[in-house]
Amino acid sequence: GQQVMQIPQYQHVQEGEDFTTYCNSSTTLSNIQWYKQRPGGHPVFLIQLVKSGEVKKQKRLTFQFGEAKKNSSLHITATQTTDVGTYFCAGRGGATNKLIFGTGTLLAVQP
Amino acid sequence: GAVVSQHPSWVICKSGTSVKIECRSLDFQATTMFWYRQFPKQSLMLMATSNEGSKATYEQGVEKDKFLINHASLTLSTLTVTSAHPEDSSFYICSAPRLGTSSYNEQFFGPGTRLTVL
Repeated sequence: GQQVMQIPQYQHVQEGEDFTTYCNSSTTLSNIQWYKQRPGGHPVFLIQLVKSGEVKKQKRLTFQFGEAKKNSSLHITATQTTDVGTYFCAGRGGATNKLIFGTGTLLAVQP
Repeated sequence: GAVVSQHPSWVICKSGTSVKIECRSLDFQATTMFWYRQFPKQSLMLMATSNEGSKATYEQGVEKDKFLINHASLTLSTLTVTSAHPEDSSFYICSAPRLGTSSYNEQFFGPGTRLTVL
């Protein structure tokens, strides 16, 4: 079945450093979404990418969808302690409306 | 944004008992809802797709007789864990895409239900 992997599994940075998480799908995706889950919380939608090669920015966050629509990345510039949490990509393949979540990247930010 | 609620937020039960978890879309209708399970420090694993007025679609490896899903209305889906055992202890989260928007839309997640089976 479809698998979505993320690397790294865990990243510890000093506040102010940049952070990137990479998402790779075993199959071509129709679109990809990114979610953030704070410890003890539930996933919160960040963004959706649909087009091949698409790049979207939200303040310090930059999201990219690969040309082949099988990979994606999330880059955070100048991390802050409020960025702490697990970042999940979630992809849709084919016509189904269900999301397959990536393995997640836990970000820890040291003040 | 749209709101999805879950009840209860946490439950502790004895082994062998059944537990019902409710998922409600509070300000929008959802013909489809999704049920996920998340073990500590792991990703969300899709268990089943709940369809209003019809049978749920279960993912491979998920026992339909153990995890009963009922989607009786456009705003309510329930997941019943029957004869729960300690290995069923997990964080159960539902989500719903908002009806009427494009098929490629964000899903709104409930706050989750933490189930502990003793």
